[in-house]
Amino acid sequence: GENVEQHPSTLSVQEGDSAVIKCTYSDSASNYFPWYKQELGKRPQLIIDIRSNVGEKKDQRIAVTLNKTAKHFSLHITETQPEDSAVYFCAASDSGVSYGKLTFGQGTILTVHP
Amino acid sequence: DSGVTQTPKHLITATGQRVTLRCSPRSGDLSVYWYQQSLDQGLQFLIQYYNGEERAKGNILERFSAQQFPDLHSELNLSSLELGDSALYFCASSATNEQFFGPGTRLTVL
Repeated sequence: GENVEQHPSTLSVQEGDSAVIKCTYSDSASNYFPWYKQELGKRPQLIIDIRSNVGEKKDQRIAVTLNKTAKHFSLHITETQPEDSAVYFCAASDSGVSYGKLTFGQGTILTVHP
Repeated sequence: DSGVTQTPKHLITATGQRVTLRCSPRSGDLSVYWYQQSLDQGLQFLIQYYNGEERAKGNILERFSAQQFPDLHSELNLSSLELGDSALYFCASSATNEQFFGPGTRLTVL
């Protein structure tokens, strides 16, 4: 089955700096890669996603890049703000055979210091 | 608010007991997914239903079962509970690839 590795497990930055979180996946059939943000005790919230036919996607201060050949994808947050502090999860899905079940990375605790 | 609702919010019970968690998907979503989130295992996929039928199974124990009803709400049944079953249980629903999560049920087994 699919295996998703996520690094780093913790990331501490100063407000205004950029943050980058990286994930690798094992199943070449995976074709959908969402990122979720989870605040303490809350639900995971979808913040951005990318499909395998696209190399990069941007939404304001966040962007995701995908390298299918190397089987890795990354989340980039620019101009970080204290409210960006949360746990971020990457995930991979094969919407074909596995009907969209998400395999999650282990999560990255992002702390943005004012 | 994702539009996905889950009840109850919290559940405290004893080992050996049985509980039922309930999920109502977003209006129009036919797929419901159940995930377990624990400190040591992260977010783990349990099972998926699509329009009343089981579609995919993940790391779901035999003591756990689920179903999706004609009105598309879903229930996750956990029986013979053990201490290690204490976790946050999320359901998510989708119409396409994007999955939207409910607020979760925090289960504590004492």
